Amino acid sequence: AQSVTQPDIHITVSEGASLELRCNYSYGATPYLFWYVQSPGQGLQLLLKYFSGDTLVQGIKGFEAEFKRSQSSFNLRKPSVHWSDAAEYFCAVGSYNQGGKLIFGQGTELSVKP
Amino acid sequence: EPEVTQTPSHQVTQMGQEVILRCVPISNHLYFYWYRQILGQKVEFLVSFYNNEISEKSEIFDDQFSVERPDGSNFTLKIRSTKLEDSAMYFCASSGRTGASYEQYFGPGTRLTVT
Repeated sequence: AQSVTQPDIHITVSEGASLELRCNYSYGATPYLFWYVQSPGQGLQLLLKYFSGDTLVQGIKGFEAEFKRSQSSFNLRKPSVHWSDAAEYFCAVGSYNQGGKLIFGQGTELSVKP
Repeated sequence: EPEVTQTPSHQVTQMGQEVILRCVPISNHLYFYWYRQILGQKVEFLVSFYNNEISEKSEIFDDQFSVERPDGSNFTLKIRSTKLEDSAMYFCASSGRTGASYEQYFGPGTRLTVT
C-alpha cells in the first residue's frame, strides 16, 4: 500500500539550531516527493520537490531535502531555524502515472524556542 | 504571482443541506484536485479532474460528492447532503502537469462546519 510516514508528530528546536524532519515512504512506482508547509489558518505552500537527478534538492526559505532510495526516505533539513519557521510540515508522495494525486504524511508540527 | 483562490473561507451549514465550494485554479493549469483535512488529521485526496472529467477519486468521494468546471475558470466541489463527518478544511489544488510543472499549488482552503 502507498503510504507516507512522518515519525515525529511534534518537534521543538531553539532558534538558530539545525533542524531535520523525517519522512519515509512506501510507493510501488517511481515516486515524486514533496515537502509542504502550512502556517496556522493558511493553505499549503510548496517548499521543495524531487523528481529525478541530484538527490539533494534545495527549496525556498533555506530548506533542503535529501532523497535516499535505499532508505525510502526524504528528510527535510535546515541549518539554522528562524522563529518564523514555526508551522506544520507535510511530506507527500505522488506519481505522474497515477492520476497525479498526492499522498500525505500525518505532518510534523514545529515549534521554535527563542 | 499566480495563485489558487477559494471561496468562501468558512462555510457553516446544517446536516442534510447541500454545499458548493468554489475554487479558481491558476489560469494556465490543466489538472485540478480537491483534498480535505479533518481537524488534527492528515490531508486526504478526494478527486482529480482533467479534460472535463474525473481522472481518479478516492473512497471518500462517494455519490454525495460531485465536481464540475462550469466555465473556463471555476472548479467546484458539491456535497449534496452534508453529514457531520464532512466537517473539514477543503483544499483545492491545480497543476500544469508537464515536466517540472507537475507540482500542485494549493488554495487557502474552505473550512466547512456541519452542525
